[in-house]
Amino acid sequence: AQTVTQSQPEMSVQEAETVTLSCTYDTSENNYYLFWYKQPPSRQMILVIRQEAYKQQNATENRFSVNFQKAAKSFSLKISDSQLGDTAMYFCAFIPPVNNDMRFGAGTRLTVKP
Amino acid sequence: DVKVTQSSRYLVKRTGEKVFLECVQDMDHENMFWYRQDPGLGLRLIYFSYDVKMKEKGDIPEGYSVSREKKERFSLILESASTNQTSMYLCASSLWRLAESNTGELFFGEGSRLTVL
Repeated sequence: AQTVTQSQPEMSVQEAETVTLSCTYDTSENNYYLFWYKQPPSRQMILVIRQEAYKQQNATENRFSVNFQKAAKSFSLKISDSQLGDTAMYFCAFIPPVNNDMRFGAGTRLTVKP
Repeated sequence: DVKVTQSSRYLVKRTGEKVFLECVQDMDHENMFWYRQDPGLGLRLIYFSYDVKMKEKGDIPEGYSVSREKKERFSLILESASTNQTSMYLCASSLWRLAESNTGELFFGEGSRLTVL
C-alpha cells in the first residue's frame, strides 16, 4: 500500500523568509506523480506544484519549488519570500501510474507572520 | 477553468437523518471522488467513480453510498447520519489518466461541512 507522511503538523514563518515543508512517501512503483496542494482558510484546495517521478529535475513554480529525492522517497516543498497569502494547510499527495487513487498526507498548517 | 460545485457549504443534521451531498463539475471529467477531511488524518477517500453508473469503494465507505446518474454529477448519501460522520466532505474530479498524457491532477470543490447532532 502506498502511504504519504507529513511529519510537521504545524509550522510558522516570518513574512519574506523561506520555509520548507517535508513529505515522505512509500511505494514500490517506479513511475508516479507527486503533488503539493494548498487549502487556504475556508477556501477550496488548489494545486501548487507537481512532479513526475521519471524527471530528475525538480519542479519550480514562481516562489514554490520542490526537492525531490527519489531514492529517499522524499518530496519537500520550499516556499521562498513567504507572503501572508501563503497561510494555509498544505497537503502532499501521491498518485500511482496505473489507477486514479490519489493518496494524501495528514497536512501541515503553515502560518506566515507579519 | 474547471469548476467543481458542491451544493451546500454548511449543513446541520440530526442523528438518523438521511443526508445528500451533491457535486457537479463542468469540465466533462470522467473521474469523480468523495473525500472526507478530518484534522490530523488528511483526506481519506470514501468512494470514487470513473464513469456513469460506476462506483468503487475507497478506504472508508462504511455508512456511505454514492450515485452517478449523469457524468457531471456525483452524489454522496448518508443513509442514517451518525455523530461520527461530522466532518468536512470534499468532492473532486479529474480526467481519466492515459499514461503520460495526464498526471491525474484533482480539481476540488469548496467543501461541505456537515455537523450531525
